[in-house]
Amino acid sequence: SAVISQKPSRDICQRGTSLTIQCQVDSQVTMMFWYRQQPGQSLTLIATANQGSEATYESGFVIDKFPISRPNLTFSTLTVSNMSPEDSSIYLCSSAGGGTQYFGPGTRLLVL
Amino acid sequence: QKEVEQDPGPLSVPEGAIVSLNCTYSNSAFQYFMWYRQYSRKGPELLMYTYSSGNKEDGRFTAQVDKSSKYISLFIRDSQPSDSATYLCAMSAPENYGGSQGNLIFGKGTKLSVKP
Repeated sequence: SAVISQKPSRDICQRGTSLTIQCQVDSQVTMMFWYRQQPGQSLTLIATANQGSEATYESGFVIDKFPISRPNLTFSTLTVSNMSPEDSSIYLCSSAGGGTQYFGPGTRLLVL
Repeated sequence: QKEVEQDPGPLSVPEGAIVSLNCTYSNSAFQYFMWYRQYSRKGPELLMYTYSSGNKEDGRFTAQVDKSSKYISLFIRDSQPSDSATYLCAMSAPENYGGSQGNLIFGKGTKLSVKP
């Protein structure tokens, strides 16, 4: 299984600002994913990030709000732009492997 | 009707009890079924992964899939305080095998507390 790290582990931000979350995998992977987990809710897929191509966004999520980079096979970033309190959540990245997905520890974001 | 239903609990049991966690689903195309364990302030950790119907055992954990009833279960034998966590079921369909298309559908998770 892949070992995934995320930075920052948590942050408190002011509304209207942006935060970039980094995700590092210890091995090369084709597909990485970004999820949001709101309190008491399921994990919701934001987008799929393939190296060398544009990210594919799920319904309800747009590139202007959640721009994603995937510069190589071990790294990806998710930016939460122009934040509002409704963006307060845990953001998780994952990688596909062995028929399933492995998750990072998550980034806890609080927007004031 | 949501695609995946899971009772959020909380579920509290004494140490040593057998725990049964369940999910129901509506999409008959689902064929890959997973259970994740998520400790507080941590990311989900894959516990069990099964394909189609049947049972799979790993130590104290048994995953069971009943496709005819669209029902999956996770059993924990001899539960320990260290099992206290939120347990998430997840599933996907063949066209997005193993989440390769990103389409793992998750339940809301059941919060389990095992009391010493």
